[in-house]
Amino acid sequence: GIQVEQSPPDLILQEGANSTLRCNFSDSVNNLQWFHQNPWGQLINLFYIPSGTKQNGRLSATTVATERYSLLYISSSQTTDSGVYFCAVVIQGAQKLVFGQGTRLTINP
Amino acid sequence: KAGVTQTPRYLIKTRGQQVTLSCSPISGHRSVSWYQQTPGQGLQFLFEYFSETQRNKGNFPGRFSGRQFSNSRSEMNVSTLELGDSALYLCASSLPGEWDEQFFGPGTRLTVL
Repeated sequence: GIQVEQSPPDLILQEGANSTLRCNFSDSVNNLQWFHQNPWGQLINLFYIPSGTKQNGRLSATTVATERYSLLYISSSQTTDSGVYFCAVVIQGAQKLVFGQGTRLTINP
Repeated sequence: KAGVTQTPRYLIKTRGQQVTLSCSPISGHRSVSWYQQTPGQGLQFLFEYFSETQRNKGNFPGRFSGRQFSNSRSEMNVSTLELGDSALYLCASSLPGEWDEQFFGPGTRLTVL
């Protein structure tokens, strides 16, 4: 099956820093989503981005489908950005999300 | 618009018991999927329902089952609970297309003693 790899697994930064999270996938995808898991476990939708670039405030994402990777950028990090970030993909013919292992982001004040 | 709701939020059971979890999708969403999250295995797909029919199933034993009702609400059942079933169970809803964006509920945290 498709493999989804996220890097780095852990990232520790100071408040105000910028960060880049990467998601590599091993096959063509028809859907790619980025999520932030809050401390209570809920997955919060950040981006639905099978291709192209999107921006939402301090967050932006780019997916290069032909090269099978996606990047999530967080600028001017705040302590509330801490948590685990997941990317997940859907391949053709499968109505399911396949998740990466996540990147744990810690923003220190 | 109300989000995906899951009940109960927390559950403690003992080995051998069975449990039923409930999920109500976003209004207008007819596809419901279930995922299990554990520290060791991460987030794994359990099954997906649309129009009361299971369209896709993950690699889990038959003790895990689900169903969907005509109002799109879904339940999942785990019988003969094992310690390894302790996990966060997440439900997601979406429009029926296989590539539509999925939205998750707050989850049910199950502890098996």
